[in-house]
Amino acid sequence: DAKTTQPPSMDCAEGRAANLPCNHSTISGNEYVYWYRQIHSQGPQYIIHGLKNNETNEMASLIITEDRKSSTLILPHATLRDTAVYYCIVMPEGQGFSFIFGKGTRLLVKP
Amino acid sequence: DTGVSQDPRHKITKRGQNVTFRCDPISEHNRLYWYRQTLGQGPEFLTYFQNEAQLEKSRLLSDRFSAERPKGSFSTLEIQRTEQGDSAMYLCALQAAAQTSGDQETQYFGPGTRLLVL
Repeated sequence: DAKTTQPPSMDCAEGRAANLPCNHSTISGNEYVYWYRQIHSQGPQYIIHGLKNNETNEMASLIITEDRKSSTLILPHATLRDTAVYYCIVMPEGQGFSFIFGKGTRLLVKP
Repeated sequence: DTGVSQDPRHKITKRGQNVTFRCDPISEHNRLYWYRQTLGQGPEFLTYFQNEAQLEKSRLLSDRFSAERPKGSFSTLEIQRTEQGDSAMYLCALQAAAQTSGDQETQYFGPGTRLLVL
């Protein structure tokens, strides 16, 4: 079973920030938080990952709480092309571990 | 571009037929994963390879399923005697070895093969 909990759906206005929450209260010390998204009929797309510190890249920012029990993915200026299912996954450090996906959050960006 | 291609992108077959899917990495990746995704669900792990060795299989991988990675590069996933319950998207993902200590190796997914069994 997935170790994360996400709301099933969210809406966001185009141009506004989209803040997608994820709970992972049973996360272990060596587990990373990963975010992927899946646009309809495509394979999952990597967005960002982090361990303890907040992370930012050209796609998004990842805010991880100090106790690491939850995180938020921020898309700073959502566009219609950001409409997708967003998955939050925890993954142990190292190789050879498969991702365990939940159902994710379906984000709808509205004009 | 994730560096992964899958072929075919779509496959329609009749129940009882055999099908084979292929995953081609564009560059070298030592780990290759197969996932299955049914409608409305997240992807589910099927199996993975380190180079040519198949190291883990999910209980979802029944004896009708077989996967190979003969030279440690491309991989094939075959389903024999297909059933309607096999209808799904089959995804391939690649993971490279970490270049720096402490770096986590991200998995990059291909576009998937969508199978419909009639």
